[in-house]
Amino acid sequence: GAGVSQSPSNKVTEKGKDVELRCDPISGHTALYWYRQSLGQGLEFLIYFQGNSAPDKSGLPSDRFSAERTGGSVSTLTIQRTQQEDSAVYLCASSLLYQNHEQYFGPGTRLTVT
Amino acid sequence: RKEVEQDPGPFNVPEGATVAFNCTYSNSASQSFFWYRQDCRKEPKLLMSVYSSGNEDGRFTAQLNRASQYISLLIRDSKLSDSATYLCVVNDSWGKLQFGAGTQVVVTP
Repeated sequence: GAGVSQSPSNKVTEKGKDVELRCDPISGHTALYWYRQSLGQGLEFLIYFQGNSAPDKSGLPSDRFSAERTGGSVSTLTIQRTQQEDSAVYLCASSLLYQNHEQYFGPGTRLTVT
Repeated sequence: RKEVEQDPGPFNVPEGATVAFNCTYSNSASQSFFWYRQDCRKEPKLLMSVYSSGNEDGRFTAQLNRASQYISLLIRDSKLSDSATYLCVVNDSWGKLQFGAGTQVVVTP
């Protein structure tokens, strides 16, 4: 079946602009996660959703970052007033349930802030 | 102390050889364990779950040692295509999966 999809695959934006990144999880998966990964680094957890609610926003780096999920499906990660340090690959993953279940990743969005 | 720790490597392995590496975790109550692989500039992909009794998938064998709180991955008859970063994943007390920073494996001809 269809896997996790993300769009856009690449985004180049100017410092100070807002960006929206989109994630379509695997159909039927209730949990959705956002991570980011800088070049050569490990995964940095940002936020997860259980249904449409986000019980754990502990990883969001600043209040410029926000995310929402609607209809228990698509999620959008928004970064306002982008900074150069926001440049990274943003990965979305989904899992059937939240606790202890394996996660399946999308291909990521490579964000470059110039 | 990090919840999941891995030797970053790289482990340089001749083609056809066997390589094994471990991952230690801090939460003694962890119940779920996975190995993922991540190719350069690609997303992580699930390689295998790790079961209490140990499990094998083709050339890959995963073991869990609860007493010493580590899991291991062994790759037999290494192929060039096995070159990747292998991520260890363990759940924390709230069921949230914690990803290690990865162990790089480089298989050479």
